[in-house]
Amino acid sequence: DAMVIQNPRYQVTQFGKPVTLSCSQTLNHNVMYWYQQKSSQAPKLLFHYYDKDFNNEADTPDNFQSRRPNTSFCFLDIRSPGLGDAAMYLCATSNDWSNEQFFGPGTRLTVL
Amino acid sequence: LAKTTQPISMDSYEGQEVNITCSHNNIATNDYITWYQQFPSQGPRFIIQGYKTKVTNEVASLFIPADRKSSTLSLPRVSLSDTAVYYCLVGALGAGNMLTFGGGTRLMVKP
Repeated sequence: DAMVIQNPRYQVTQFGKPVTLSCSQTLNHNVMYWYQQKSSQAPKLLFHYYDKDFNNEADTPDNFQSRRPNTSFCFLDIRSPGLGDAAMYLCATSNDWSNEQFFGPGTRLTVL
Repeated sequence: LAKTTQPISMDSYEGQEVNITCSHNNIATNDYITWYQQFPSQGPRFIIQGYKTKVTNEVASLFIPADRKSSTLSLPRVSLSDTAVYYCLVGALGAGNMLTFGGGTRLMVKP
């Protein structure tokens, strides 16, 4: 089945230690998104790729970076995680003519 | 981006019809209305999308009045497994038009 895959599902890192979360998709969608979702809150868009074009949300901290080496893969890099960065990180994809986003299961990040 | 307002929470019982209303007073001409469902520890899942009048699929109906300033998601005969958070989003079609998740409505279905 076509899907959005996120690895790992659970990630533990130390305060200030860089961490990378990965997302892959078999849907061949041209748009990929990264969201941050904290407990009991709505998902918050961090940035998205429209094909190779990177689009950062205005209030996304510089601590968060992203890479998309090809259509199928997208990475979220947190350069110096703080305790406030502990959250669920969701990857999603869509086609450029649709508002239907397909979400992965998420990676729950814990910062010690 | 059009802002959306939903009830924070709703309770229902198995077998009942549930209607969740979303207000979006400043919806633009090109905006569509999209609803997502999210279970704990999972990513949101697309439920339904519409522009005006009524849209129905295998899981829900979406009612949109003529002025489009609100919309109502209708879930027929809910079961315990429909307990989830439901989000209403408003935006133009196309991935270049970003959608913002509002607060969402936490639906609790009781036996």
